[in-house]
Amino acid sequence: NAGVTQTPKFQVLKTGQSMTLQCAQDMNHEYMSWYRQDPGMGLRLIHYSVGAGITDQGEVPNGYNVSRSTTEDFPLRLLSAAPSQTSVYFCASSYRGRENGYTFGSGTRLTVV
Amino acid sequence: GESVGLHLPTLSVQEGDNSIINCAYSNSASDYFIWYKQESGKGPQFIIDIRSNMDKRQGQRVTVLLNKTVKHLSLQIAATQPGDSAVYFCAENKDGNKLVFGAGTILRVKS
Repeated sequence: NAGVTQTPKFQVLKTGQSMTLQCAQDMNHEYMSWYRQDPGMGLRLIHYSVGAGITDQGEVPNGYNVSRSTTEDFPLRLLSAAPSQTSVYFCASSYRGRENGYTFGSGTRLTVV
Repeated sequence: GESVGLHLPTLSVQEGDNSIINCAYSNSASDYFIWYKQESGKGPQFIIDIRSNMDKRQGQRVTVLLNKTVKHLSLQIAATQPGDSAVYFCAENKDGNKLVFGAGTILRVKS
């Protein structure tokens, strides 16, 4: 049982490049979410999904796309990277009932130059 | 708008003492609250949660208190240890899985 797995752990992009941050969970959780964490700030919700085939926007969705074709995977796509997207990105998952909170991955540190 | 905030950005305590980390929230409709611990370079780790129909919940060395009258949440850590040094976040959840996080409190444990 690996929990929530994020790849890559580190990434440097040039402005305008695109990339996909991967997130996978093996706990059969219905809910999956993507957050970004900037220095000195809490986590802000980018996009979330309540189940396969269903996604919705969070607080800061601009510049990001998501899809949920399977229960296990929830990739986050940056279409055209900007320096403002330099951040640490966390994926999280939970059961529908929210019991015991949300399980977070170890994060992807993204730098856009 | 919805917001969750913390009173103290940094808390320094002596090893063995009790720690109290505070959190204020503004959305009275929130019905579920969670405390997370985040160590350097790692993702947030669940500590304890509480539903709005409760005032207090205890775990191993940790207690969460919820005061809905003043919209205040606190995390108490008993006999604080060096391994407790981390950033602590409170988060509130109103519906679905939308968590709203506070900015965090740094807990430093002095040996």
